[in-house]
Amino acid sequence: GAVVSQHPSRVICKSGTSVKIECRSLDFQATTMFWYRQFPKKSLMLMATSNEGSKATYEQGVEKDKFLINHASLTLSTLTVTSAHPEDSSFYICSAEFLRNEQFFGPGTRLTVL
Amino acid sequence: DAKTTQPPSMDCAEGRAANLPCNHSTISGNEYVYWYRQIHSQGPQYIIHGLKNNETNEMASLIITEDRKSSTLILPHATLRDTAVYYCIVRLQTGANNLFFGTGTRLTVIP
Repeated sequence: GAVVSQHPSRVICKSGTSVKIECRSLDFQATTMFWYRQFPKKSLMLMATSNEGSKATYEQGVEKDKFLINHASLTLSTLTVTSAHPEDSSFYICSAEFLRNEQFFGPGTRLTVL
Repeated sequence: DAKTTQPPSMDCAEGRAANLPCNHSTISGNEYVYWYRQIHSQGPQYIIHGLKNNETNEMASLIITEDRKSSTLILPHATLRDTAVYYCIVRLQTGANNLFFGTGTRLTVIP
């Protein structure tokens, strides 16, 4: 199946700093990628839809100025958590759409903000 | 997308079949049933999907009732590595393609 990677897999940062997470589709091109967030013992919640060459579409309640998404190529989308705070600590997962009926997920990035 | 209802947890003995039910009584005619699973601290993994016919692949079988209001994911010979949270999702194949993850079923395979 199609492979999606994320980098880094784990990051610890100080409060107030910014963190960039990369999501790559390794063996296919993805015009659409998705960013999810998952808190402990909770389900995945969609944050935003990332479209190559255009602005991301954010879900209600997700601050677009805090969670900057860039999808500059067909194989790379980045999520930058700006001015991170402890409440932003979470498991961030991206997915890329392969053909029309399958989404493949990355392994996730665990962010801990001290 | 239609909502789904799944039992919060299930146990299954290793080597036995695991049957995971899902209710989706408000599914519309052009919505598909998808199954994903998430092993602890990993990204979700696609398992199988179907519209109205039963489907089988190397991982599992999907049985959809004739009225399409419910379905069952079958893992024919569960192993310890199948311990995960299993999500049943109904969605259109076109248009908004994001997935709505409910609470899923936490399957524990017991040795």
